[in-house]
Amino acid sequence: DIVMTQTPLSVTLGQPASISCRSNQSLVHSDGNTYLSWLQQRPGQPPRLLIYKISNRFSGVPDRFSGSGAGTDFTLKISRVEAEDVGVYYCMQTARTSRSFGQGTKLEIK
Amino acid sequence: EVQLLESGGGLVQPGGSLRLSCAASGFTFSNYVMNWVRQAPGKGLEWVSTIGGAGNTYYADSVRGRFTISRDNSRNTLYLQMNNLRVEDTAVYSCAKDFETSLAPDYWGQGTLVTVSS
Repeated sequence: DIVMTQTPLSVTLGQPASISCRSNQSLVHSDGNTYLSWLQQRPGQPPRLLIYKISNRFSGVPDRFSGSGAGTDFTLKISRVEAEDVGVYYCMQTARTSRSFGQGTKLEIK
Repeated sequence: EVQLLESGGGLVQPGGSLRLSCAASGFTFSNYVMNWVRQAPGKGLEWVSTIGGAGNTYYADSVRGRFTISRDNSRNTLYLQMNNLRVEDTAVYSCAKDFETSLAPDYWGQGTLVTVSS
């Protein structure tokens, strides 16, 4: 099974933030795409899709969110953190039929 | 507007069974991959199962052989039959649809709580 590992995060409002996600296997699918997504879960709410296939921003997601990476190492960046960005961020791989999430990164404001 | 509404959760004893339902609306249900994801109290997201539009199914190792995912495209409903439940299956269970061919879940229900306890 693919195991996803994320890093913790504490940031200052208005400053950039970066969340890392690493997998123990390549997430390149046999079709050539890399199926790595990022989701945000605000307190008390269901998850919200932010980024799919490494770097594609989902509809309605502010452009301060961006995704990058390749193979086994991926990053979600927030160019300027706002108060509404507080929550838990999950990376998710769907490159294999057995899907998996990272353990989550709680974004806290200093 | 896409809507996903789960039901069927509740309190069950270890070894018992429950069937969860997810009523979908606002999109052509039969065209989309659907998922069940759970979240234990205070914990992270855990993928449970996925079913394709044609009915192909996939399961997490932790539930394989005990849970069965299915769909009724005529009723726009997703199901999760859960048998031989364990205390560690206690969680909020949510259904989610994939976004087109991105293999990423874009819409989620609010979830239904399953509590396994004696």
